[in-house]
Amino acid sequence: EDQVTQSPEALRLQEGESSSLNCSYTVSGLRGLFWYRQDPGKGPEFLFTLYSAGEEKEKERLKATLTKKESFLHITAPKPEDSATYLCAVRDATGANSKLTFGKGITLSVRP
Amino acid sequence: NAGVTQTPKFQVLKTGQSMTLQCAQDMNHNSMYWYRQDPGMGLRLIYYSASEGTTDKGEVPNGYNVSRLNKREFSLRLESAAPSQTSVYFCATGENFADTQYFGPGTRLTVL
Repeated sequence: EDQVTQSPEALRLQEGESSSLNCSYTVSGLRGLFWYRQDPGKGPEFLFTLYSAGEEKEKERLKATLTKKESFLHITAPKPEDSATYLCAVRDATGANSKLTFGKGITLSVRP
Repeated sequence: NAGVTQTPKFQVLKTGQSMTLQCAQDMNHNSMYWYRQDPGMGLRLIYYSASEGTTDKGEVPNGYNVSRLNKREFSLRLESAAPSQTSVYFCATGENFADTQYFGPGTRLTVL
């Protein structure tokens, strides 16, 4: 069974204090790893898709990286507007109709 | 271009009542999904429609039914609501089944 574990559950940073969010996963074969951002009372907003170990993607202050067992979402010099819950999900490569398995999310708070 | 829309935004039901949650997309995507999100748990798939004319059960289908009305619309029906169905419901779409999913704003449902 596919599993996704995100850590820490919550993270509080000072504005400008860089850090990383972790997503560890177990799948038979990875077809894609997805990062989403979710603001309170809103739907998840797509950030990145990573497909193979070594792949990296960047968007503004965010950089996502992937290894064979985990993914990191690096946040450089965060701002208060980066405060949100960050969700990680994986799709297994086995089977034609494999579905997304989501982690529980990491709640990030950035203090001014 | 609204993306993915959901109605209603909020709903309160009494145990045993029925209701239908509506989802519509203007992204011309083939696949559509219904998830529920509960505190302390990851998003869980209820039902999905990989393409127009098909529907399949997800991880937690009991107590729900779906209809893929056309390519744009995918509805979720609760025939006899139970307190355990109190949750936030999200509709999502993807160009095809294995592709990135894009989420709607959600429906917050309370069953008393």
